[in-house]
Amino acid sequence: NAGVTQTPKFRVLKTGQSMTLLCAQDMNHEYMYWYRQDPGMGLRLIHYSVGEGTTAKGEVPDGYNVSRLKKQNFLLGLESAAPSQTSVYFCASTRQYNSPLHFGNGTRLTVT
Amino acid sequence: GENVEQHPSTLSVQEGDSAVIKCTYSDSASNYFPWYKQELGKGPQLIIDIRSNVGEKKDQRIAVTLNKTAKHFSLHITETQPEDSAVYFCAASREGGSEKLVFGKGTKLTVNP
Repeated sequence: NAGVTQTPKFRVLKTGQSMTLLCAQDMNHEYMYWYRQDPGMGLRLIHYSVGEGTTAKGEVPDGYNVSRLKKQNFLLGLESAAPSQTSVYFCASTRQYNSPLHFGNGTRLTVT
Repeated sequence: GENVEQHPSTLSVQEGDSAVIKCTYSDSASNYFPWYKQELGKGPQLIIDIRSNVGEKKDQRIAVTLNKTAKHFSLHITETQPEDSAVYFCAASREGGSEKLVFGKGTKLTVNP
């Protein structure tokens, strides 16, 4: 039982490049989330999904897109990376609202 | 919207001492208050949570207290150990979904042997 798995663990992009971060969970959770963590800023919600085929915007959605084609996977895309998107990205899932979030170990992204 | 303030931002204690981290929230409708521990290089992990119908909850060396009137809640760690060293986040949300969960900015706790 792996829980929440994020790939890749590290990535360096040049400004303007695109990439996709993959999140996979094996707990059959309905809800999935993408957060970014910046020094001194805590965790900020980018996008979330309340079930397969659904997505919604969080607090800081600009510059990101997401897809949830399968229940177990939640993809975060950066179409044209900017240095302001340098951050650590965390995926999380939960069984139902206001239940414990299960986090992956993060993806550290640097945009130069 | 909800705003969560967390203090202190850093905390250093001697092994065996107690540690207290405090959070205040702004939305009186918030009713779920989890605490997460984040070790270096890992994702946050829930250590304890409390709902607004309860004033205090304990789990071994960890306790959380909630004062709804004052809109603040606190994490208490007793008999601290070096493995308690981590970043701790408080959060608050109201009914309607975890997407409403708002995190504090974190407290870096260092337990000195």
